[in-house]
Amino acid sequence: GNSVTQMEGPVTLSEEAFLTINCTYTATGYPSLFWYVQYPGEGLQLLLKATKADDKGSNKGFEATYRKETTSFHLEKGSVQVSDSAVYFCALSDVGGYNKLIFGAGTRLAVHP
Amino acid sequence: DAGVTQSPTHLIKTRGQQVTLRCSPKSGHDTVSWYQQALGQGPQFIFQYYEEEERQRGNFPDRFSGHQFPNYSSELNVNALLLGDSALYLCASRRQVNTGELFFGEGSRLTVL
Repeated sequence: GNSVTQMEGPVTLSEEAFLTINCTYTATGYPSLFWYVQYPGEGLQLLLKATKADDKGSNKGFEATYRKETTSFHLEKGSVQVSDSAVYFCALSDVGGYNKLIFGAGTRLAVHP
Repeated sequence: DAGVTQSPTHLIKTRGQQVTLRCSPKSGHDTVSWYQQALGQGPQFIFQYYEEEERQRGNFPDRFSGHQFPNYSSELNVNALLLGDSALYLCASRRQVNTGELFFGEGSRLTVL
C-alpha cells in the first residue's frame, strides 16, 4: 500500500542554519504531496504542497520539489528561525476516491538561538 | 471566520467506557475526516464523511464509528475503550471539490486509564 517515510528526529539546528528534512514515498498512480507543520499545542497546518511531478511547493521560506524519479519530496529552508521549531509531517493524498491523507511519522525540529 | 473546532479538548476515560468527540468544520466545508495521532506518530486516517455518509474508512475496528449531521458537523464514537486508544484525535475538513486541502482542528486528547 501507499506509505511515507521521513527522516527520524529530532533535528537540532542553530538559528540561520540550512534545513533539510528528507521524505520519500511509495504510491501507485500520481498522488499529491504535502508538508504539514504542528506547533506545540496546536493542530496541523498545511505548509506547502505539490500536485504533479517537478512541481515546487513553497511557503514562508520553505520549499519542496516533487521528484517522481526518486519518489522524494524533501523539505528545505535556507535559514531557519527559532519560531520554526515544530514537528513537520510529510503526507501524500491517496489517489482516487475521497483522497485520504497518508502521513509520515513526523520529524521534530528544534532551533536554538 | 472560525476554523475547525473540536470538543472536548482533553478527557480521561477508563477501559471499557465509551467516548464521543465532536467536530464543527470550517465554514463552507462539507467533508469531515477523523485521524488518530498516537504519541510520537503521524496521524492515521480513521474515516471520512460526506453528505452524512461514511465514504472511506481506514484500518480501524468497528468500535470506532461516526456520524455527520445536516449542518456538516460530525461526531466520533469509540466503544469499549482500550488503553491503546489513548491518542490525540484530529478532525479535518475541506470542500469536497477541493481535494487534499485539509484544515485541521487542534484535536481532542483522550487518555484511557
